[in-house]
Amino acid sequence: DTEVTQTPKHLVMGMTNKKSLKCEQHMGHRAMYWYKQKAKKPPELMFVYSYEKLSINESVPSRFSPECPNSSLLNLHLHALQPEDSALYLCASSQGADSSYEQYFGPGTRLTVT
Amino acid sequence: AQTVTQSQPEMSVQEAETVTLSCTYDTSESDYYLFWYKQPPSRQMILVIRQEAYKQQNATENRFSVNFQKAAKSFSLKISDSQLGDAAMYFCAYRAMNRDDKIIFGKGTRLHILP
Repeated sequence: DTEVTQTPKHLVMGMTNKKSLKCEQHMGHRAMYWYKQKAKKPPELMFVYSYEKLSINESVPSRFSPECPNSSLLNLHLHALQPEDSALYLCASSQGADSSYEQYFGPGTRLTVT
Repeated sequence: AQTVTQSQPEMSVQEAETVTLSCTYDTSESDYYLFWYKQPPSRQMILVIRQEAYKQQNATENRFSVNFQKAAKSFSLKISDSQLGDAAMYFCAYRAMNRDDKIIFGKGTRLHILP
């Protein structure tokens, strides 16, 4: 099973809402990633978790709060977002955070902030 | 800083024909990986092909092959016998070897397959 699943597929939220994005993998991977992708642009790395610890935070605003409850799950908590945060949010996982390991991407959550 | 450049924002190819997507990169590292990722309109990004910089032999995966020119810092993707399912955004990417550095993506090339 080489699948990374993400829920929900689509999310519309107001600027005062609190919502969460969920990512799950059952490949035994120990590194998980959040990316943000605007239309017609490449993905931009937001966070990396390695062995359930946050190892990279690419200076993402605090209105995005990642959480890794266990090695299979990665959440992204959203609060007080801005319209410019509307994007496709991709989760990925890999066997380890080292560059020798391939990253497997999920299908993404399309987020619209109104 | 490492950069990846894809100079062709969009390309079209007739079904069953061959197409080459260009990619150049800049790095001062000697050991690194290069990738081509495919992102179809359904959005899930998948790895098409990977090249280790220390390997002289060009990587191939079925109809997909690369032309890796290390000295020129060029890494093009050739798709042979193009199929409708090849229509997608293709991202060239770089990652330093043996480190936790992030993947550096190019801006992408949108490939259209003409029936």
